[in-house]
Amino acid sequence: AQSVAQPEDQVNVAEGNPLTVKCTYSVSGNPYLFWYVQYPNRGLQFLLKYITGDNLVKGSYGFEAEFNKSQTSFHLKKPSALVSDSALYFCAVRDMEGSGTYKYIFGTGTRLKVLA
Amino acid sequence: ETGVTQTPRHLVMGMTNKKSLKCEQHLGHNAMYWYKQSAKKPLELMFVYNFKEQTENNSVPSRFSPECPNSSHLFLHLHTLQPEDSALYLCASSLSDTGIKTYEQYFGPGTRLTVT
Repeated sequence: AQSVAQPEDQVNVAEGNPLTVKCTYSVSGNPYLFWYVQYPNRGLQFLLKYITGDNLVKGSYGFEAEFNKSQTSFHLKKPSALVSDSALYFCAVRDMEGSGTYKYIFGTGTRLKVLA
Repeated sequence: ETGVTQTPRHLVMGMTNKKSLKCEQHLGHNAMYWYKQSAKKPLELMFVYNFKEQTENNSVPSRFSPECPNSSHLFLHLHTLQPEDSALYLCASSLSDTGIKTYEQYFGPGTRLTVT
């Protein structure tokens, strides 16, 4: 079965510095990978996805993610962090059931705290 | 706003009560999902509906009963819940995954459920 791991419960970064939120995955075929963000008292919001093609994927709010097949990683990045980026970030991978239906496996989440 | 609404936003219920959670989407999507979000745990997929048909039941106890009367509405009926069922319940919708194309999910703000 597919799985994702987010090794850090929390990441702290100073405003204006680059940020990285880590995600590694395990899949049996081609990976379909996603990043979502959750602000307090809100549902998850889609940031970006990797299906195929360019290893660097650009998404919403200036975020990007780099797909690295050899390291089975899909780290989320932003060149310059904002205080408003402080939130909970989830990595997800698409899984396929034996019946042919699809579902998404989410990581445990990483809390990003951007310090002013 | 993501176009997915959930009511109520907060619910406190006793273990012998019966209540229902409601989800509504006006995005023209044909797949809807229920997730359970507990602290320090991965997001747990509970149920999936594609074109009003249930395609996934992720070993959820029978005290949770989903209903999908049409592609825009999804309910989660609750009865004789346990304190460990206290969590944030998230609804999401998307276009149906075709295997070749995969689509991001749009989440509602969730219902914070407390079982006393």
